[in-house]
Amino acid sequence: NAGVTQTPKFQVLKTGQSMTLQCAQDMNHEYMSWYRQDPGMGLRLIHYSVGAGITDQGEVPNGYNVSRSTTEDFPLRLLSAAPSQTSVYFCASSPSPRAVYEQYFGPGTRLTVT
Amino acid sequence: GENVEQHPSTLSVQEGDSAVIKCTYSDSASNYFPWYKQELGKGPQLIIDIRSNVGEKKDQRIAVTLNKTAKHFSLHITETQPEDSAVYFCAASPHFGNEKLTFGTGTRLTIIP
Repeated sequence: NAGVTQTPKFQVLKTGQSMTLQCAQDMNHEYMSWYRQDPGMGLRLIHYSVGAGITDQGEVPNGYNVSRSTTEDFPLRLLSAAPSQTSVYFCASSPSPRAVYEQYFGPGTRLTVT
Repeated sequence: GENVEQHPSTLSVQEGDSAVIKCTYSDSASNYFPWYKQELGKGPQLIIDIRSNVGEKKDQRIAVTLNKTAKHFSLHITETQPEDSAVYFCAASPHFGNEKLTFGTGTRLTIIP
């Protein structure tokens, strides 16, 4: 199993550009989520999904869209990038949202918006 | 919503000594408290977790304690080794699982050889 994969590893965008961060898992996990990590603020939940076709907002959803058309993929879209979205983004998955299972994190995408 | 505070933000200990990281939470409905270790350039990795019906849990050199009355929980690492150097995050969830985890702000632990 490759686990949780994220692409790209690094990205630089100009203000106003749009892009999609890719996330995929090959463990048939129901639950997937996106976090952003900023210095001194820990990880904050952006969006999450409890299964294909179901998504919901987390703590900081503004400026981001997600979709879950398959169990494996959970892309994060930045509609119009802003400097405030400069961050490290982590995708994670676990077998179930409401059970004590380990949540597996991807290696992260470092995004810089200029 | 839930608020998780974590202290200290940085911690340096001599190799072989113990390290303790503390977290407090605000939502009395929180029931699941995992701890993550993040090495440089990698995503967080679960190292230990505890549920609200348990007061203490141990796994080799690491242990977690939970005081539900005081709403705080702690990570204890004994006989520290250089490979313990990393950033550690606590988290809390209102469910027995990963849905809507709220993370602490992290502790950078440095083990001095």
